Amino acid sequence: KQEVTQIPAALSVPEGENLVLNCSFTDSAIYNLQWFRQDPGKGLTSLLLIQSSQREQTSGRLNASLDKSSGRSTLYIAASQPGDSATYLCAVVKFIGNKLVFGAGTILRVKS
Amino acid sequence: DTGVSQNPRHKITKRGQNVTFRCDPISEHNRLYWYRQTLGQGPEFLTYFQNEAQLEKSRLLSDRFSAERPKGSFSTLEIQRTEQGDSAMYLCASSPRGGRRNTEAFFGQGTRLTVV
Repeated sequence: KQEVTQIPAALSVPEGENLVLNCSFTDSAIYNLQWFRQDPGKGLTSLLLIQSSQREQTSGRLNASLDKSSGRSTLYIAASQPGDSATYLCAVVKFIGNKLVFGAGTILRVKS
Repeated sequence: DTGVSQNPRHKITKRGQNVTFRCDPISEHNRLYWYRQTLGQGPEFLTYFQNEAQLEKSRLLSDRFSAERPKGSFSTLEIQRTEQGDSAMYLCASSPRGGRRNTEAFFGQGTRLTVV
């Protein structure tokens, strides 16, 4: 059974700091990995999708890497801003059409 | 707005009542998923449709839960005889038919259910 763990559970940083969020998964046989952002009481917004054959994806100040063999992914946020404050979730998919298996998320607070 | 739409956004119901939620996926997305999320946890899978066929159901989906996608477009999730433990955020997601990003999931804003 696939299990996804995210570390740390919560993180508080001053504005402008670069930060890394970690995601690990127990079964390396995945099709892709997706990072999401969730604001309080809201749905999920897709940030980055990494196919299993890829090593990383970038979007603006966000960079996600994937090491499938070791079962790890990181989300790097550069020059953090108060507007980045949210819960960040990672999820993996085993094959096309399969369900997402989520971690519990990292709650990020960026202080101005 | 061409995103995933969920209604209602909030629902408060008394224990024992039935509730129904609706999800309208992104147009032409053939895959539709329901998830449930409780406070402090990531979403947990409930059920999956490809077009109108329900292909997978989680063990979380007890006999009191039923989902339909009658014409392969919108979907409904019904909970009968609600219990306090059903209180959660119910999320709907859809994925496109093909292409390289054909597993990318797009989520709606969710329906927050409170059973009192």
